[in-house]
Amino acid sequence: DTGVSQNPRHKITKRGQNVTFRCDPISEHNRLYWYRQTLGQGPEFLTYFQNEAQLEKSRLLSDRFSAERPKGSFSTLEIQRTEQGDSAMYLCASSLVWGVKDTQYFGPGTRLTVL
Amino acid sequence: AQTVTQSQPEMSVQEAETVTLSCTYDTSENNYYLFWYKQPPSRQMILVIRQEAYKQQNATENRFSVNFQKAAKSFSLKISDSQLGDTAMYFCAFMKLSRPMYSGGGADGLTFGKGTHLIIQP
Repeated sequence: DTGVSQNPRHKITKRGQNVTFRCDPISEHNRLYWYRQTLGQGPEFLTYFQNEAQLEKSRLLSDRFSAERPKGSFSTLEIQRTEQGDSAMYLCASSLVWGVKDTQYFGPGTRLTVL
Repeated sequence: AQTVTQSQPEMSVQEAETVTLSCTYDTSENNYYLFWYKQPPSRQMILVIRQEAYKQQNATENRFSVNFQKAAKSFSLKISDSQLGDTAMYFCAFMKLSRPMYSGGGADGLTFGKGTHLIIQP
């Protein structure tokens, strides 16, 4: 396994700009999760996919946020019209949902700074 | 909605000592998993240990063990013979299951506590 990868690792943008992050899960994993982590806090769940279907969205996921997983493999998270409050680490995790093991494996995250 | 509380923002112990990190949670669910994740200074989250709520036996992984008290909704992590590499943020996490895992059930997102910063002193 190559693990969960995320790109870019760091993103600095100006308020009002759009940004897109990518997550590549572990290859055989059918579930993919997005979390947001601000400094000094635990990660907060945003949304998850099973294959290409988006099954749950947190109320934290405002209309400016959209996530896709078009072919059930990699996923993108887009934030439109970024605000300073969007500055955070965005974490992706993947898991294999069948049987008794459903552990989420995390990627290194994308750190977003909105100026 | 579930909540996870970690009441110790920071703990510091000497190398080789045993340390216990506390976690309590609140839920009306009966089928769930509990986890401890470690986030070292490099910030990639690593699973430490997992506990299925339907199992009475406490989970152990080498130097790491849990004390799971379902009625009290308590889930503490004990680290024995602590090592310098154990220095990290430790997060307790709750995962609701849509149906029991032993029947191939699905799972939802994790709910994390705020974390405990554990420092192992040489």
